[in-house]
Amino acid sequence: KAGVTQTPRYLIKTRGQQVTLSCSPISGHRSVSWYQQTPGQGLQFLFEYFSETQRNKGNFPGRFSGRQFSNSRSEMNVSTLELGDSALYLCASSLSASVDTGELFFGEGSRLTVL
Amino acid sequence: GENVEQHPSTLSVQEGDSAVIKCTYSDSASNYFPWYKQELGKRPQLIIDIRSNVGEKKDQRIAVTLNKTAKHFSLHITETQPEDSAVYFCAASGGGNTPLVFGKGTRLSVIA
Repeated sequence: KAGVTQTPRYLIKTRGQQVTLSCSPISGHRSVSWYQQTPGQGLQFLFEYFSETQRNKGNFPGRFSGRQFSNSRSEMNVSTLELGDSALYLCASSLSASVDTGELFFGEGSRLTVL
Repeated sequence: GENVEQHPSTLSVQEGDSAVIKCTYSDSASNYFPWYKQELGKRPQLIIDIRSNVGEKKDQRIAVTLNKTAKHFSLHITETQPEDSAVYFCAASGGGNTPLVFGKGTRLSVIA
C-alpha cells in the first residue's frame, strides 16, 4: 500500500508570492492533518480535515488555508509569503476519525524556502 | 487550547545507558499521549502511545509512564543503541475531534 505522498518535495519562492502544497493520503484514510516543522519549534498544528470538512485549525494567520477533496486528497495554500514561512510542511493521514484511535502516518514533507 | 512542553531539547547518552524524556501538558481533558520518532531526513513515526486509563506501557526497550494528577508523561529508553539516535516528539490530545498537539522535540544522540 502506498504511503502518504506530498508534492512538491522542495520549492523556493520569494516574499509576497503564494504557494500550494498537495497531499495524497493512504488509500482509505479520510483524515488529513497538516503540520509546520521548523528547527526549535517542533511540529506546529496547522489544520485537520475529515471528509472534506475542516474540523480544527491551529494558531496560524489567515494567509494559511487548506481544503480537502472528495477523494481525500488535500491541499494547503500560503499566500503573501514571508521569510518566516520557510519550513518543512508535513501532511499526515489517519484511518480513524478520532485522534486517539488511529496512528498518524506522515508524508516526507514539502520543504519550502522563502527568499 | 492544549500546550505541551518537552524537556530536554537535546540529550546525549552513552550506548547502553538509559534515556528519559519528559513532557507536561496543560489541558486536563487530554486523554491520549503518543510518542513519535523522527530519524534524520525521515518522516515521524509512532513508536508508542498511552491512554489516560493506563499508568504505564512497555514495548521491549521503550516504556511510557503517565501521571494524570501532575499532568506529565515520560518516555524511557533502556539499553540505548546508536539506532535510537533521532528526534523524539511527545504529543497530547483530548481524543475525538481534538487535534494532536506536539512538543518541540528532543534530539537524542547515542554515543557508541
